[in-house]
Amino acid sequence: EAGVAQSPRYKIIEKRQSVAFWCNPISGHATLYWYQQILGQGPKLLIQFQNNGVVDDSQLPKDRFSAERLKGVDSTLKIQPAKLEDSAVYLCASSSSSGGWADTQYFGPGTRLTVL
Amino acid sequence: QKEVEQNSGPLSVPEGAIASLNCTYSDRGSQSFFWYRQYSGKSPELIMFIYSNGDKEDGRFTAQLNKASQYVSLLIRDSQPSDSATYLCAVNIVSSGAGSYQLTFGKGTKLSVIP
Repeated sequence: EAGVAQSPRYKIIEKRQSVAFWCNPISGHATLYWYQQILGQGPKLLIQFQNNGVVDDSQLPKDRFSAERLKGVDSTLKIQPAKLEDSAVYLCASSSSSGGWADTQYFGPGTRLTVL
Repeated sequence: QKEVEQNSGPLSVPEGAIASLNCTYSDRGSQSFFWYRQYSGKSPELIMFIYSNGDKEDGRFTAQLNKASQYVSLLIRDSQPSDSATYLCAVNIVSSGAGSYQLTFGKGTKLSVIP
């Protein structure tokens, strides 16, 4: 079974530029998550989708971050404009169930973003 | 603020020893607990999950949960140099914003197994 796919793997941009990340979850997984992991920290949830609807985006900085999951499969996360503090690894995860307490999440390889 | 706390380490153990990794959490209502391993430059990889008080064993790994003390631990028996990584404790906590479950991670404990 193929795992969670993400691209690009690395991205370097200048502050105030925009950037987009792509994620394809494990086949059949209804729930998709985007996390931000700053060096030395654990992953922090940005947004959770179930199918193509948003379940939780309470920690997404909506003035600059946006995300969508069209057709309930692939997802994109966009940052516009980027700030220096956005330098981090952006992880996508997916799970087969509805995001309940017993949900098990599987992570993709991540995209390492450097903002100069 | 609902938190998950881990000793950041580094924790150094000799090859063949038992490594003990600890985690405490603040939300008494939490029901599920996960351990992820993260090698440097890689993404988190699920090792184990535990829902019930007591021990759960999987090969060289044992997860221990004590809900009364709000404490979860991971024991790695016969530690190998390949176990050297950062171990992330994660707890499913109800998000105060959305009312849905949200996986909250600790900062991780860096383990070094010395040959």
